[in-house]
Amino acid sequence: DTGVSQDPRHKITKRGQNVTFRCDPISEHNRLYWYRQTLGQGPEFLTYFQNEAQLEKSRLLSDRFSAERPKGSFSTLEIQRTEQGDSAMYLCASSSSGGTGTEETQYFGPGTRLLVL
Amino acid sequence: AQKITQTQPGMFVQEKEAVTLDCTYDTSDPSYGLFWYKQPSSGEMIFLIYQGSYDQQNATEGRYSLNFQKARKSANLVISASQLGDSAMYFCAMREGPYWGNEKLTFGTGTRLTIIP
Repeated sequence: DTGVSQDPRHKITKRGQNVTFRCDPISEHNRLYWYRQTLGQGPEFLTYFQNEAQLEKSRLLSDRFSAERPKGSFSTLEIQRTEQGDSAMYLCASSSSGGTGTEETQYFGPGTRLLVL
Repeated sequence: AQKITQTQPGMFVQEKEAVTLDCTYDTSDPSYGLFWYKQPSSGEMIFLIYQGSYDQQNATEGRYSLNFQKARKSANLVISASQLGDSAMYFCAMREGPYWGNEKLTFGTGTRLTIIP
């Protein structure tokens, strides 16, 4: 079974441009999460989906950010009008639901490193 | 107040020695889960070990064990017989509340572990 995959792995863009990232979760996982990690910090929660429903959004997710998971499989995270402060690693994770203990563990992808010039 | 505190920004350990990475947490919820992740320089977060608040025994996974002291609200990671490949950032994370409906993880700032040959 393959793990969580993310594309692209690196993205360099100019301020004001729009960018979109993709995440493919572990196939049997119905929960998908997005986190953002800036230099020297731990990841911070952005949003999560159960199947196609977006169930929680952090206040960190400004109106320039939008996430979708249209068919309950892969997800996209779009940032509109990028700013230099958006430069970070964007991590995607997935987990199953209905379990306890380690069954709820979130498994992370390799991340997308965004640099906004 | 910080939910997760990791007080050791960096540690240097001789190969084959055991190492303890500290983590204290803050929650008033009786149900929670504690996780440790490893992040090598490549960026991917690798799940290591999980401890549930109601678990009676300390969690173990191979060379990793979790020293869970509930009254002190600490969840230290112990790595036995360290190896060069253990050099990485290590993050402690917490899920507050029962796993259903409380899925986001809160991370600490991490500890950079360097194993010296």
